Amino acid sequence: DIVMTQSPDSLAVSLGEKATINCKSSQSVLYSSNNKNYLAWYQQKPGQPPKLLIYWASTRESGVPDRFSGSGSGTDFTLTINSLQAEDVAVYYCQHYYSTPPYTFGQGTKLEIK
Amino acid sequence: QITLKESGPTLVKPTQTLTLTCTFSGFSLTSSGVGVGWIRQPPGKALEWLALIYWDDDKRYSPSLKSRLTITKDTSKNQVVLTMTNMDPVDTATYYCALRGYSSGWYSYFQHWGQGTLVTVSS
Repeated sequence: DIVMTQSPDSLAVSLGEKATINCKSSQSVLYSSNNKNYLAWYQQKPGQPPKLLIYWASTRESGVPDRFSGSGSGTDFTLTINSLQAEDVAVYYCQHYYSTPPYTFGQGTKLEIK
Repeated sequence: QITLKESGPTLVKPTQTLTLTCTFSGFSLTSSGVGVGWIRQPPGKALEWLALIYWDDDKRYSPSLKSRLTITKDTSKNQVVLTMTNMDPVDTATYYCALRGYSSGWYSYFQHWGQGTLVTVSS
């Protein structure tokens, strides 16, 4: 199974500042035939199901504010939230969907306001 | 509009079998590429991928839970059912069903989620 490891486990960022969350996969999730990284990011607020933010490592889901961006390739990925807003307080998860299941999730990163 | 909703018991006893139903609308599980998965989340913990069933009845399971899980579909009722045998208190969690994502084809990120159902395992 591919293991997804996020860092940090938690972080506190001031309003208006940038938050950076990292995700590392135990093997590459880049599919050479289409040059796509099979990596998604989700946001989960308390009491709510996860919400898809980004897929293909960098494609924003429809309706997601452009302050959210994803980058990286192969085994190392980053979710960046520019100009942090109060409503961005949540737990963020990465997930791979490469090759065969299980399509594992990272352990989550809790984002708070400093 | 795509919706998914989980239903089932809120409390099960240890060693019992859990049966959860995901009732969906807005898509068909007979369409090529479509798939519905189950994910769980113990209180205060991370998401855990459990199982996925595809339009062609292909089924995939988490290796660590494969012996205890069964996923089936009833396309006439627009439902996906997950059964988990030999329940234990560590299986206490919110169980979600979710639809594979579509991006010029169907892929196994989850684009639409149900609200989840909390299952407590206790005697």
